Amino acid sequence: DAGVIQSPRHEVTEMGQEVTLRCKPISGHDYLFWYRQTMMRGLELLIYFNNNVPIDDSGMPEDRFSAKMPNASFSTLKIQPSEPRDSAVYFCASIIRQGAFGYTFGSGTRLTVV
Amino acid sequence: GQQLNQSPQSMFIQEGEDVSMNCTSSSIFNTWLWYKQDPGEGPVLLIALYKAGELTSNGRLTAQFGITRKDSFLNISASIPSDVGIYFCAGQNYGGSQGNLIFGKGTKLSVKP
Repeated sequence: DAGVIQSPRHEVTEMGQEVTLRCKPISGHDYLFWYRQTMMRGLELLIYFNNNVPIDDSGMPEDRFSAKMPNASFSTLKIQPSEPRDSAVYFCASIIRQGAFGYTFGSGTRLTVV
Repeated sequence: GQQLNQSPQSMFIQEGEDVSMNCTSSSIFNTWLWYKQDPGEGPVLLIALYKAGELTSNGRLTAQFGITRKDSFLNISASIPSDVGIYFCAGQNYGGSQGNLIFGKGTKLSVKP
């Protein structure tokens, strides 16, 4: 299995532009998570899905952030408009079922908003 | 909400030395996990602990689930340069929301050859 696949690996964009991050979870995994990592705040859970349905989006910082999972093999995290404080590494992770332990993380997308 | 306090924040050690880091929580967890993050990569699961008091080894790594279920430690014996990275503890509860994987802020390990 190729693991959790994220794209792009790096994204540099100007303030105000729309940014879309992509994730392909491990095949057969029912849960998908989006995390944000910064030096100040560490790893923060933004949103997670179960069977493509958003379950908890309480970690999404504000309305500029949105996430979708149109099918079991693809999810997007969109920021519109982007701001410099959104600069961070964004991780996607998946897990096979409720009660299983530990998540498998992707390699992340390093976002820089200038 | 639940928070994990992980210490130390960073460590600079000589190759061959042993390393110890720990994590404490104000509330209990059903599972403790330890992850390692290499530069430019996502965290990778090292060890999972399922029962209070459990002591688990994985090669040179040893981790324990505290008896109170509010703490855990990770030891690395005879460190080598490839141990460099950031180590995260994480607490997990099941039976409820799968969103309950709470991460510590990490311990950054540097190993001098």
